[in-house]
Parts: sequence; structure tokens; C-alpha cells
Amino acid sequence: EPEVTQTPSHQVTQMGQEVILRCVPISNHLYFYWYRQILGQKVEFLVSFYNNEISEKSEIFDDQFSVERPDGSNFTLKIRSTKLEDSAMYFCASSLTGVPLTDTQYFGPGTRLTVL
Amino acid sequence: GENVEQHPSTLSVQEGDSAVIKCTYSDSASNYFPWYKQELGKRPQLIIDIRSNVGEKKDQRIAVTLNKTAKHFSLHITETQPEDSAVYFCAAFLSGGGADGLTFGKGTHLIIQP
Repeated sequence: EPEVTQTPSHQVTQMGQEVILRCVPISNHLYFYWYRQILGQKVEFLVSFYNNEISEKSEIFDDQFSVERPDGSNFTLKIRSTKLEDSAMYFCASSLTGVPLTDTQYFGPGTRLTVL
Repeated sequence: GENVEQHPSTLSVQEGDSAVIKCTYSDSASNYFPWYKQELGKRPQLIIDIRSNVGEKKDQRIAVTLNKTAKHFSLHITETQPEDSAVYFCAAFLSGGGADGLTFGKGTHLIIQP
């Protein structure tokens, strides 16, 4: 069964540095998402992406965040200048359509980001 | 926006007994309610979901019920087994079109006692 994949599994960075988290969604899916989960807390929506543009974003997704689909397979989340509070597990997800009445979001294994 | 409350935060049951996790949501326009199971250090895995046009759905030992009037939905696991131990998250999707994100509850840590 196809799965969403993410790299790296763990990223350690210094405060103020830029990081790029990478995701490969399921190949025929058209909608892509990033979620964040701070240790011990719930999963929080960051952004959704369709047709090469942001569809929705939450209050968490401020100007230091950006997303991109640089080629036909990858979907990236960039954090420009990391802060200590950005330390979290970042999950990518994808769905075939954006309509949950007919579809489901499938999650990747996550990238644990640690900001020192 | 949507707000999802989930209870309890921790649930400990004897192996073989049933477990029930409850969630409420705030926006009556929400129309899709998935449940995810997350084992330690792993991705959330969809285990069951329900759309707003049905009141109950069952898949082997797992069932979900939805009460649209009261705006709550519940996960029922019968004949619990050790491998059911995990954190379970409920979520709600607010209708309105477009590729919107899910709003998650805070999770329930289910512990199955042997």
C-alpha cells in the first residue's frame, strides 16, 4: 500500500537557522498538508496546498513558514529562522481530493525537529 | 473555527473489556469525523471515520457513533487487546470547501492492563 514518506526522520538545528523538511506524498494525491505536534500535545494544522498554491493556513503558519512543491513528487516545509518553540514533530499528509466526504488524509511518519 | 474537546485524557481498562472515548465539537457545520491511532513515535493512523450523513459505523471491534444534535461522537473498542494500547485522537472537519485541515482533540492515552 502506498505511503507518505518524510525526510529526515530527525533534524537538529541551532536557533535562527533555516530548515527544510521534505515530504513525498502518495503519488496520485492532489492535496497536501503540514501538521505540527509539540511533544505530548495534540496535532495542529499548519497549512494545506493544492494546485501549487496554499489553500488554507492556520494562525501558526506565520511569515517564517513557507511551503513549496519544487517538482512532481516532493512537498517541502521551510522554516526561515527557527525558534526554540518550533521544536516539534512535523507531519506531512496527503489526500486524493480535498473533500472529506469522499476522501481521507494519510499521514507520513513525521520529522522530529529539535531547535537548540 | 472549530474546537474539539476529547475525554478522558487517560483511560486504563482490563484486557477484554470495552473502552469508550468521547469527543465534542463546536461547529454544527462540521461533516467529517475521523479517529486516528498513534503509537509511540509513529505516525497517526486512520482507524475509522464517520460522515455526518450516518449515525453509526462499525469495523470489527471498533465502532464510532455520531450525535449531530448534541455535537458529539464517540469511539468504542470492544474486547480490548494489548496492541490497542496507544494514543487515540478524534478530529473534525469543518465544511466549506477547499483543502482544509482537520481540527484534532488533545488525545486519549489508552492503556490495556493484562
